[in-house]
Amino acid sequence: DTGVSQNPRHKITKRGQNVTFRCDPISEHNRLYWYRQTLGQGPEFLTYFQNEAQLEKSRLLSDRFSAERPKGSFSTLEIQRTEQGDSAMYLCASSLLPSGRAGTDTQYFGPGTRLTVL
Amino acid sequence: TQLLEQSPQFLSIQEGENLTVYCNSSSVFSSLQWYRQEPGEGPVLLVTVVTGGEVKKLKRLTFQFGDARKDSSLHITAAQPGDTGLYLCAGAGGGKLQFGAGTQVVVTP
Repeated sequence: DTGVSQNPRHKITKRGQNVTFRCDPISEHNRLYWYRQTLGQGPEFLTYFQNEAQLEKSRLLSDRFSAERPKGSFSTLEIQRTEQGDSAMYLCASSLLPSGRAGTDTQYFGPGTRLTVL
Repeated sequence: TQLLEQSPQFLSIQEGENLTVYCNSSSVFSSLQWYRQEPGEGPVLLVTVVTGGEVKKLKRLTFQFGDARKDSSLHITAAQPGDTGLYLCAGAGGGKLQFGAGTQVVVTP
């Protein structure tokens, strides 16, 4: 399977602990996105990378959240000092934007990581 | 706050019936994508529409993009239980997607 993969699929943690999620995009996709989805809502944008550069961060991404894509391939999303309000599905997506072309492109999503903060 | 409004929020129909879900916004998008999502899984792409007035068909699913590129509809003909899921529309702009809250569709045998 060459789709987007995310690990772990589920994470249960206690309030105040740190957690880290990993996303492996479709190979050769240069853009990688993180979204968060709570019950009854559509996904909300958090941040995205083009290659290793983080191009935009949402105001939803507090200073407890950090995302990296060090080699332009996989990405990690870390949440420090988790709070109960962080409980959600964290979704990763990737896309291929040909070089020299601005604008948006079709995004393919992974299965998500379900975070529960007790 | 969702910039894209989807209606209805919930739809329950019998197998074989037709249904239409709507996605409306006051914003213009460069493209619009429709996804279906099942519980505990990520959204799965159904279609991307780009041109105002565009109509795309995918077997029993017909997608339409409004002339002004602000709204879209999804029509399912002769729905089947396998069509059950959360249907999400997402407008593309500025390098990210803005999603509606989704329409939950339940098709009973």
